Amino acid sequence: NAGVMQNPRHLVRRRGQEARLRCSPMKGHSHVYWYRQLPEEGLKFMVYLQKENIIDESGMPKERFSAEFPKEGPSILRIQQVVRGDSAAYFCASSPTLAGNEQFFGPGTRLTVL
Amino acid sequence: GENVEQHPSTLSVQEGDSAVIKCTYSDSASNYFPWYKQELGKGPQLIIDIRSNVGEKKDQRIAVTLNKTAKHFSLHITETQPEDSAVYFCAAIRQANSKLTFGKGITLSVRP
Repeated sequence: NAGVMQNPRHLVRRRGQEARLRCSPMKGHSHVYWYRQLPEEGLKFMVYLQKENIIDESGMPKERFSAEFPKEGPSILRIQQVVRGDSAAYFCASSPTLAGNEQFFGPGTRLTVL
Repeated sequence: GENVEQHPSTLSVQEGDSAVIKCTYSDSASNYFPWYKQELGKGPQLIIDIRSNVGEKKDQRIAVTLNKTAKHFSLHITETQPEDSAVYFCAAIRQANSKLTFGKGITLSVRP
């Protein structure tokens, strides 16, 4: 049973470009969460999605950031017009379809903005 | 909202000794408390968790205790090994399928 998959693992963008981060949850999981980790910091919640629905986006910056989890395919975290402050590790986690607390994390995407 | 604090920020122990990492939380409605281990360049790995209806849980060399009255929970690692060296995060959640609130993490170093 494959774990949570994220790609790319490393992403380099220049200021003003777009970054697209992908996350495939574990098999049987329909809940996806995105977290951001700044250097020397803990993980900060960004957004929680179920298939085709955003459930909680209280941690998402109001501008430039968006997320989706379509009926088919991976969840996408999109950052438009990246700035240097967006440089961080972005982690996706998934939890089982039935109500449960356990969240299992992927390996992360490390975004560097030049 | 929930606030989770973790201390100390670094901990160094001799191989074979025990390590204890403590966390406090602010929201008395939180009812699930996981611990994650993160190795360099990797994602957080769930190592043990505890629910609010339980005071203690053990899994081989790892145990977690919860004091709901004082709103703190602790991770205990016995017979530490060099491979236990990593960053450990505690977290709290208020209800199933909602966001985790993390502490800032502690770097555990196990000296051989």
